[in-house]
Amino acid sequence: EVQLVESGGGLVQPGGSLRLSCAASGFTFNSRWMSWVRQAPGKGLEWVANINEDGSEKHYVDSVTGRFTISRDNAKNSLYLQMKSLRAEDTAVYFCATDLHFYQDTSGWDDYFDFWGQGTLVTVSS
Amino acid sequence: SYDLTQPPSVSVSPGQTARITCSGDALPKKYAYWYQQKSGQAPVLVIYEDNKRPSGIPERFSGSSSGTMATLTISGAQVEDEADYYCSSTDSSGYPAFGGGTKLTVL
Repeated sequence: EVQLVESGGGLVQPGGSLRLSCAASGFTFNSRWMSWVRQAPGKGLEWVANINEDGSEKHYVDSVTGRFTISRDNAKNSLYLQMKSLRAEDTAVYFCATDLHFYQDTSGWDDYFDFWGQGTLVTVSS
Repeated sequence: SYDLTQPPSVSVSPGQTARITCSGDALPKKYAYWYQQKSGQAPVLVIYEDNKRPSGIPERFSGSSSGTMATLTISGAQVEDEADYYCSSTDSSGYPAFGGGTKLTVL
């Protein structure tokens, strides 16, 4: 059974930093792309970042580029999101998810998320 | 950014067919995906690659896509299907994007 368990959320002041973790089990972690997706209170889903199987390729949504860093430790079956210069608009539940990243001949790269964790809440407020 | 447009809400009676639409300019070339999110829970993938059902998803869930519109259909909706539903696709840069979500009410 696939399990993804996020941790590290909490209350942080604007401008502060936080590191989220996601512990994975039940699948071959080092063979899967992984993503972080967030959801602001009462709002919809927003993809934040993803990372390839060995950590050599990373992508970010524009609003977090330069402030957030995604990483992974395959020896520990763990995914991370280092967040710096946090803003009020970063307040959200952060989900980690397995990312089915594949190439279509007719239209390029595609992603979808087949398993999700329960999320961890990050609140940015003074 | 890539816009995927969904109706904010859809309401049906139990046993009726619920249809939730998602429109986006890239959908003629890109797959649509659908996620169900019940209150306080994580999203669950219910449709992938326009019309495929993951293992464990009931047969009453189906998907289709034509032109710039994708549709999630729940045939014979049940009270337990009440949830927020999000469509997703990929923008021109190859990054995932989500629609704004549709609240399905079954009562």
